[in-house]
Amino acid sequence: AQSVTQPDIHITVSEGASLELRCNYSYGATPYLFWYVQSPGQGLQLLLKYFSGDTLVQGIKGFEAEFKRSQSSFNLRKPSVHWSDAAEYFCAVGDYKLSFGAGTTVTVRA
Amino acid sequence: EAGVAQSPRYKIIEKRQSVAFWCNPISGHATLYWYQQILGQGPKLLIQFQNNGVVDDSQLPKDRFSAERLKGVDSTLKIQPAKLEDSAVYLCASSLAGSSAFFGQGTRLTVV
Repeated sequence: AQSVTQPDIHITVSEGASLELRCNYSYGATPYLFWYVQSPGQGLQLLLKYFSGDTLVQGIKGFEAEFKRSQSSFNLRKPSVHWSDAAEYFCAVGDYKLSFGAGTTVTVRA
Repeated sequence: EAGVAQSPRYKIIEKRQSVAFWCNPISGHATLYWYQQILGQGPKLLIQFQNNGVVDDSQLPKDRFSAERLKGVDSTLKIQPAKLEDSAVYLCASSLAGSSAFFGQGTRLTVV
């Protein structure tokens, strides 16, 4: 069975500081991994995805994620956070059927 | 390119009433998904269509939920009768075969 764990429910970060969101997955084969962002009242927007190849994946809005098979992790990072990055972030695993984590809410303080 | 369109955006109904949600996917996207997102949780797949056929409805509560995708384009999701625990955001998504899903803004359902 496939599943995703996002250990941090809520993270607060200062504007300009770095951000790292953790994601651990369980999947029987080589996983397809995704990070989505959801702003209040909005749908989910794809930030980046990993299917194969280079384990460091670049996404939109300055985000990147690193796939580590040995740790079953796919952590999301951003070097310098902007106030507009305040949102909820979801990690997901799967092929045609995605399993989502419970999400991490990011608050950005001035 | 137009995104995934959903309506209504918000709906409040009493328990035991029925409700329907509508989704218009991105043009040309053969795959359509309905997800349920309960407050504080990640989205959960309810049903997936490939054109007008059902690929996966294993997590759809079939005693009260139904969905259809006539002509392989628009889709409707219905709940009848609604329960308090059906309060959630219902997200529609679509994709090309083998590619990432694009999500609509969702319909927020409140059952009182």
